[in-house]
Amino acid sequence: GAGVSQSPSNKVTEKGKDVELRCDPISGHTALYWYRQSLGQGLEFLIYFQGNSAPDKSGLPSDRFSAERTGGSVSTLTIQRTQQEDSAVYLCASSWPGIEDEQFFGPGTRLTVL
Amino acid sequence: QKEVEQDPGPLSVPEGAIVSLNCTYSNSAFQYFMWYRQYSRKGPELLMYTYSSGNKEDGRFTAQVDKSSKYISLFIRDSQPSDSATYLCAMSERNSGYSTLTFGKGTMLLVSP
Repeated sequence: GAGVSQSPSNKVTEKGKDVELRCDPISGHTALYWYRQSLGQGLEFLIYFQGNSAPDKSGLPSDRFSAERTGGSVSTLTIQRTQQEDSAVYLCASSWPGIEDEQFFGPGTRLTVL
Repeated sequence: QKEVEQDPGPLSVPEGAIVSLNCTYSNSAFQYFMWYRQYSRKGPELLMYTYSSGNKEDGRFTAQVDKSSKYISLFIRDSQPSDSATYLCAMSERNSGYSTLTFGKGTMLLVSP
């Protein structure tokens, strides 16, 4: 079946603008994760969803970052008033219920803030 | 001290060589250990998944976990140019029924023909 998909694949925006990044997980995967990968850095955990609930938002770097998930499927990560330090690749992953250690990643959205 | 340490490389080897990639960690609560492969401009892909100390083999890949030393390894036999990628180790502990992964920064591997 189809893997995790993310859109857009690339996004260039101006400082101060809001952006929305979308993730479509694998069908049936109830767990969904957002990560950020900056140049020279490892993957930084942002937020975890189980169904439509987010029991762990501990990785969101500031209140400019928010995420939601609807219908236990699609998730949107929103960054308000983007800053240059927000430039990174934003990765989404999903997993089967009870096997959250085996995560399947999407191709990522490369965000560039000018 | 970061929770997971991984040499960023790059590690350059000739085709056919045996490759050894390693990570050390400090959190003794980590229970699950994974290796992901990431090609340029792609998302990470799960390669190996282990739970306990010991070895796990899958084709040309062998994952080794030594919990007493807090050290994990990935061995690649008969390396191929198509193995050229960044290899990320990842570890997890269960928190109230779910797991979050802690990643190393990744080691870039270059296999030359």
